[in-house]
Amino acid sequence: GENVEQHPSTLSVQEGDSAVIKCTYSDSASNYFPWYKQELGKRPQLIIDIRSNVGEKKDQRIAVTLNKTAKHFSLHITETQPEDSAVYFCAHDSNYQLIWGAGTKLIIKP
Amino acid sequence: GAVVSQHPSWVICKSGTSVKIECRSLDFQATTMFWYRQFPKQSLMLMATSNEGSKATYEQGVEKDKFLINHASLTLSTLTVTSAHPEDSSFYICSALGEWGGGGYGYTFGSGTRLTVV
Repeated sequence: GENVEQHPSTLSVQEGDSAVIKCTYSDSASNYFPWYKQELGKRPQLIIDIRSNVGEKKDQRIAVTLNKTAKHFSLHITETQPEDSAVYFCAHDSNYQLIWGAGTKLIIKP
Repeated sequence: GAVVSQHPSWVICKSGTSVKIECRSLDFQATTMFWYRQFPKQSLMLMATSNEGSKATYEQGVEKDKFLINHASLTLSTLTVTSAHPEDSSFYICSALGEWGGGGYGYTFGSGTRLTVV
C-alpha cells in the first residue's frame, strides 16, 4: 500500500539554528502535503501545507519544499525556539485519505 | 475556521464496559470522518473511514464489531468501543474531511480522547 518515510526520527538542534525534516512518498497521484505539529496529549496541529502545483511555500519561520519528480518533501524551521519542541508529522493524501509519516521528535536545546 | 468538537476529552472505564466518543463538525459539513488511534510515541493509525449515511470502511486488523462507528449526519460521527479491555487504552482522534468555499478542502482534527481501561 501507500506509505511515507520520514527522517530523522529524532532531531536535536541548538536554539536559533535551523531544523530540517524530510519525507518521501510513493503515490505519484498525491496532491496535498501537510505538516503537523503535535504536542504531548494534544491533537495534531496543521502548521503548513503545500499542494502539488507549488514547489515551495513559506510562512514566517516555517517553509515546505516539494519535489514531485523525486517524490519527496521537506519541512524547514529557521531560528528555532524552545516552543518548537514537539513531534512533527508529515502526511500526504491518497484517495482523500491521509497517509502519515512515523514522526520526528524535535528537541530544541537552550 | 473549521472546528471539530470531540467529547469526552478523557474517560476511564472498567474492563468489559462500552465507551462512546463523539465528534461534531461545528461550522462545516464533514463528508468523511476518519477515526485514528495513537499509542504513546507512535504515529496516528487509521482505524476506519466513514461517510455520512453509509457503513464505515475498516482498516485491516481493526475489529468492526468492537469499534462501532456511526456517521448518521454530516455533522456527527461516533465511535463506540465495545467490551473495552486494557489493551484498548489509547488516544483516539477523529478527523473530518470537509470542503469549503473556493474549492478548498482540508482535514480538521478533534481534540482527542484519552481512553484508559482499568
